[in-house]
Amino acid sequence: GESVGLHLPTLSVQEGDNSIINCAYSNSASDYFIWYKQESGKGPQFIIDIRSNMDKRQGQRVTVLLNKTVKHLSLQIAATQPGDSAVYFCAEKDLAGNKLTFGGGTRVLVKP
Amino acid sequence: DSGVTQTPKHLITATGQRVTLRCSPRSGDLSVYWYQQSLDQGLQFLIQYYNGEERAKGNILERFSAQQFPDLHSELNLSSLELGDSALYFCASSLSGTKAGELFFGEGSRLTVL
Repeated sequence: GESVGLHLPTLSVQEGDNSIINCAYSNSASDYFIWYKQESGKGPQFIIDIRSNMDKRQGQRVTVLLNKTVKHLSLQIAATQPGDSAVYFCAEKDLAGNKLTFGGGTRVLVKP
Repeated sequence: DSGVTQTPKHLITATGQRVTLRCSPRSGDLSVYWYQQSLDQGLQFLIQYYNGEERAKGNILERFSAQQFPDLHSELNLSSLELGDSALYFCASSLSGTKAGELFFGEGSRLTVL
């Protein structure tokens, strides 16, 4: 797929273990953050979002943590499955909300 | 299936040529975004339209232009193509152009410039 060729940091995780993907953002004015998953040959797909007035939000098997003090965002995936293998992007939106700025991405490889 | 349709899926052309990429947003979505994904730069925001009007501009080259039509579909025009323009071009749509909310991405148009 197209995203396979990206020169990205890679996280290898054993099936069933938890994964933690980290993201640093630069714009202190950003007030909305999203994690996207991009599988090979597909477009980015929404996973979970969080507003800046929160520091934690949970979804199904995923948790996003936001630390505004150090401008850090993380995505935790519980009980990682083979289908979780993909490239994960964090994205931030500024107060004007006119564009979503994406981070560089992290490739997650799940080992059986 | 995100509901966003992009055509063509693959396009191969030569340097100096011009191509048009087409995007149909999800039904009801008023805002369309274009992103470029190349090997060494990840997802780069190009431009956004909301209900036919340009709303925000990113790192879009002067050789590139876009528009959103009354039926809300959008086209991205790439001219005087260079080898470095080879990339995946994604279109995304959302209901609103300003409120926080997820973007729904199409499957992308893969452009190869030879």
